[in-house]
Amino acid sequence: GAGVSQSPSNKVTEKGKDVELRCDPISGHTALYWYRQSLGQGLEFLIYFQGNSAPDKSGLPSDRFSAERTGGSVSTLTIQRTQQEDSAVYLCASSLKYEQYFGPGTRLTVT
Amino acid sequence: SQQGEEDPQALSIQEGENATMNCSYKTSINNLQWYRQNSGRGLVHLILIRSNEREKHSGRLRVTLDTSKKSSSLLITASRAADTASYFCATSNAGGTSYGKLTFGQGTILTVHP
Repeated sequence: GAGVSQSPSNKVTEKGKDVELRCDPISGHTALYWYRQSLGQGLEFLIYFQGNSAPDKSGLPSDRFSAERTGGSVSTLTIQRTQQEDSAVYLCASSLKYEQYFGPGTRLTVT
Repeated sequence: SQQGEEDPQALSIQEGENATMNCSYKTSINNLQWYRQNSGRGLVHLILIRSNEREKHSGRLRVTLDTSKKSSSLLITASRAADTASYFCATSNAGGTSYGKLTFGQGTILTVHP
């Protein structure tokens, strides 16, 4: 079956612009996660959706970051007023329980 | 912030040799997982070991867990050039409702020379 997909694969944006990153999880997976990977910070947890529960937003670095998961499936991570330090690879994963399946990531470059 | 620390940061070996990577963590865990990453993009799950397990095998992989020392090791036996990748440990913390949330280590870059 299809794995986790993310779009776009690469995004270059100007400082101050808003960006939206999309994640399509594996069908039937109840949990969805966003992570950020950058050279200086390694892999950082951002946000976690589990079923109909309130999302765990404890990893979001600032209020410029937000995420939604519509209909328990597709998720969008939005970064408002992007800054150069937001440049990173944004990874999405989904799971049924503990083992997480990752998408290929979106490489975001803020110029 | 990263809970796990991995060592070595980089490991270079010849094909056929064994590779051992270590991971330490700080809090009580539900389980510990190892992931592999090629080319800085998506991660692939390798193996999961629960907090009440001490050792687990999967093919050429062997994972150990010592909860008293808060450490784990990943052994890849008879390495191949195709094993060249970054390897990350990740922990799921005990308690709470966010049991699926993972905290990753900094990773070990493994290079296997043909």
